[in-house]
Amino acid sequence: DVKVTQSSRYLVKRTGEKVFLECVQDMDHENMFWYRQDPGLGLRLIYFSYDVKMKEKGDIPEGYSVSREKKERFSLILESASTNQTSMYLCASSLEPSGRGQETQYFGPGTRLLVL
Amino acid sequence: GQQLNQSPQSMFIQEGEDVSMNCTSSSIFNTWLWYKQDPGEGPVLLIALYKAGELTSNGRLTAQFGITRKDSFLNISASIPSDVGIYFCAGRERIQGAQKLVFGQGTRLTINP
Repeated sequence: DVKVTQSSRYLVKRTGEKVFLECVQDMDHENMFWYRQDPGLGLRLIYFSYDVKMKEKGDIPEGYSVSREKKERFSLILESASTNQTSMYLCASSLEPSGRGQETQYFGPGTRLLVL
Repeated sequence: GQQLNQSPQSMFIQEGEDVSMNCTSSSIFNTWLWYKQDPGEGPVLLIALYKAGELTSNGRLTAQFGITRKDSFLNISASIPSDVGIYFCAGRERIQGAQKLVFGQGTRLTINP
């Protein structure tokens, strides 16, 4: 079974703090993704990576950065947390598909972040 | 980025009723996916659709890939309490070396026993 784990289920931080969210996958997937989930807005892509040390901006990258030093690990960094970054953060991974059925994204359980 | 319009945003139904939700896009997708998110968990894939007009079932779930490739629907028959959750549609596109998903806003399903 594919396993995507996230370092924390719940996190409370203060405005201005630097926040690290860690994601690890154990299936040797090339692609990894960070989303935020907000009510009524669905999942919005923050950043993704298709290889080690490679990163690409998603739809809402402002205020975030990422790091992928190892294939299995993808970190999301909030350099200076703000209250509007209070959200549920979901990490996902996928193979680089070579055929039908391989493009599924597997999600972690999510980290609910509250910025005070 | 692209937007998917998913409706309805929420549904309140009685156990045993059938459920229908749909997704529309202004752009064409080559793959449509339907995910379900249980409370406190990440989304899990339910059904994947790869060809325009394709109709696929997974138990009590049926999904169709629209002929225009700009829409998809999901039906759940004879709903049961464990169907409660948020359902997301997603269209797949290829951007800068990776397969990227665009998600709808989600449909929150609540079932009265």
